[in-house]
Amino acid sequence: ETGVTQSPTHLIKTRGQQVTLRCSSQSGHNTVSWYQQALGQGPQFIFQYYREEENGRGNFPPRFSGLQFPNYSSELNVNALELDDSALYLCASSLPGNEQYFGPGTRLTVT
Amino acid sequence: EDKVVQSPLSLVVHEGDTVTLNCSYEVTNFRSLLWYKQEKKAPTFLFMLTSSGIEKKSGRLSSILDKKELSSILNITATQTGDSAIYLCARGGLNRDDKIIFGKGTRLHILP
Repeated sequence: ETGVTQSPTHLIKTRGQQVTLRCSSQSGHNTVSWYQQALGQGPQFIFQYYREEENGRGNFPPRFSGLQFPNYSSELNVNALELDDSALYLCASSLPGNEQYFGPGTRLTVT
Repeated sequence: EDKVVQSPLSLVVHEGDTVTLNCSYEVTNFRSLLWYKQEKKAPTFLFMLTSSGIEKKSGRLSSILDKKELSSILNITATQTGDSAIYLCARGGLNRDDKIIFGKGTRLHILP
């Protein structure tokens, strides 16, 4: 049990809609990273939050945004959903520079 | 754009065999090389490698980093059906806010 939780487990949205995914970090971890994993691919880094501020971003458009709260939990928001956004979204928590512990993921399907 | 390349992409062996999974990367300055096992959803942490030539072991699994060859290997001896999974290699950046780059993974299937 890693202690990282994500909600919801599964989600189905239609193109153009907006979605919010949630992540609770492992106790004591102040850094949260979000990844998108398409079928047959490795996780792709979306962004990282450290102490409520964005602390690094991958090659994702601005319609992918996030938040980190004072308790270090985090949200990933995606606006104007596209079919290609269908993927497993993984959240990982860590202390800065240390190994990351992943949550079970949210499977998003965009139709 | 720098990449992490894993090989083979998939591998099927029989229980009891030994396997070696490969990971190569392109940048020379980075903090750590990580290995994860992904069975259903959440990747689970296996190893973090920061120094070249020092093997890390955990039971039947071991891993080593070769910074000269820009590569790492993950060995699994006496494989069991429970080792069937996707094994992911990831390279951390030099700074703590650098993004982590994952390879596509090696899908390992162990036949009973």
